[in-house]
This record gives sequence, C-alpha cells and structure tokens, in this order.
Amino acid sequence: AQSVTQLDSQVPVFEEAPVELRCNYSSSVSVYLFWYVQYPNQGLQLLLKYLSGSTLVKGINGFEAEFNKSQTSFHLRKPSVHISDTAEYFCAVSEGVTGGFKTIFGAGTRLFVKA
Amino acid sequence: DVKVTQSSRYLVKRTGEKVFLECVQDMDHENMFWYRQDPGLGLRLIYFSYDVKMKEKGDIPEGYSVSREKKERFSLILESASTNQTSMYLCASSFAGSSYNEQFFGPGTRLTVL
Repeated sequence: AQSVTQLDSQVPVFEEAPVELRCNYSSSVSVYLFWYVQYPNQGLQLLLKYLSGSTLVKGINGFEAEFNKSQTSFHLRKPSVHISDTAEYFCAVSEGVTGGFKTIFGAGTRLFVKA
Repeated sequence: DVKVTQSSRYLVKRTGEKVFLECVQDMDHENMFWYRQDPGLGLRLIYFSYDVKMKEKGDIPEGYSVSREKKERFSLILESASTNQTSMYLCASSFAGSSYNEQFFGPGTRLTVL
C-alpha cells in the first residue's frame, strides 16, 4: 500500500542556515515524487518533481531533492534559507492504479525561519 | 498561468445546513479534485473527477457529494453540515493521462460549522 511519511512536523532554523526536510514513502510499484509548498493563506504550489533519470532534482527558489530508491526517501534540501521560505511543505507520491492514478500527500512539515 | 479559483475564502455555516463549495479552473484540465486539509493529517482526498459528469470517491467521501456539469467547474456539496466537517477545503486540477502531471491548487476555503 502506498504511504508517505514526513519525519518532522516542525523544523525551526535560523536564516542563512541549511535545511533538510525528510520524506519517506512506501509503494510496491514505480512512483513519481513531488514536493509542494504552501505559504500562509494560500493553496499549494509545486516546488519540484521526480519522474525518472537523475536522482537529484532541482526546483524553484533554490530547493533541491534527492531520490534514493534503496532508502525509499525523497528529502528536500536548501543550502541557505530565507525568512520568506517560512511555509508548510508537503511531500507527495503518485502511482498508477487501475483506471487512473492516485496521489498521496504526507502530513506536512512546517518550516520556521528565524532572523 | 493556470488559475484555480474557489468561490469563498472563509465560510461559516450552521449544523444541518446544505453547503456548496465551488471551484473553477481556466486551463481546460480534465482532472479535478477536492481535498480537505487538517493539521497533522495533511491533505486527504474527498472526491475526484476525470471528466464531465464523472466522479470517483476518494479516501473520505462520507458526508460529501460532488457535481461536475461543465469541464471547468467542480462543486463540493455538504448535504447536512456537521461540526466535524470544519476544515480547510482545497480544490485542484491537472491534465489527464499519466500520474506525473502536477496538480494546481486553489487558495482554499476555510469552512467553520457551528
């Protein structure tokens, strides 16, 4: 069965420090992986996605993520965060099922960037 | 730019009322989705639609119904609102086909049922 676990519910970090938001998934088939960001009072928007090929994926706003098949992980990283990165981040997994596809979202990680 | 709009940002209703949440997208997407978002639970799929007049139950359809009479519009209906339906409701849309198409989200409707 498909599932997504975001290992940290909240991550506080100082401005200009590096950050890693962790995501593990379980699935019995090949999957597609996504990170979405939700700024306060807004809907979700796509940060990056892994479909195939290079395991290091670069996204918007300086974020990147690495797909690790053996660890079934897709951790999100940024080398130097800004106050404006304060938001909630969602990892998502999508796989094909009979008749269509199914996307499962993690519970979210709240990133707090402090001055 | 893809635009997904939702009819209300904030809504307050009373227990037992019938509630309509409307979602419109302007990019001719085939797929549309309704999620509810609760702290610590992430996004949970209520219903989705792959085409006009077509609907499929998601993970938590109880107490909800949907309607898709036109391609661009997907409505979520709470037949008789209850306090446990107080939540943030998010609409999303995407192109048809493979599972790797990203979903585009509306700003959300925060519904409070008193």
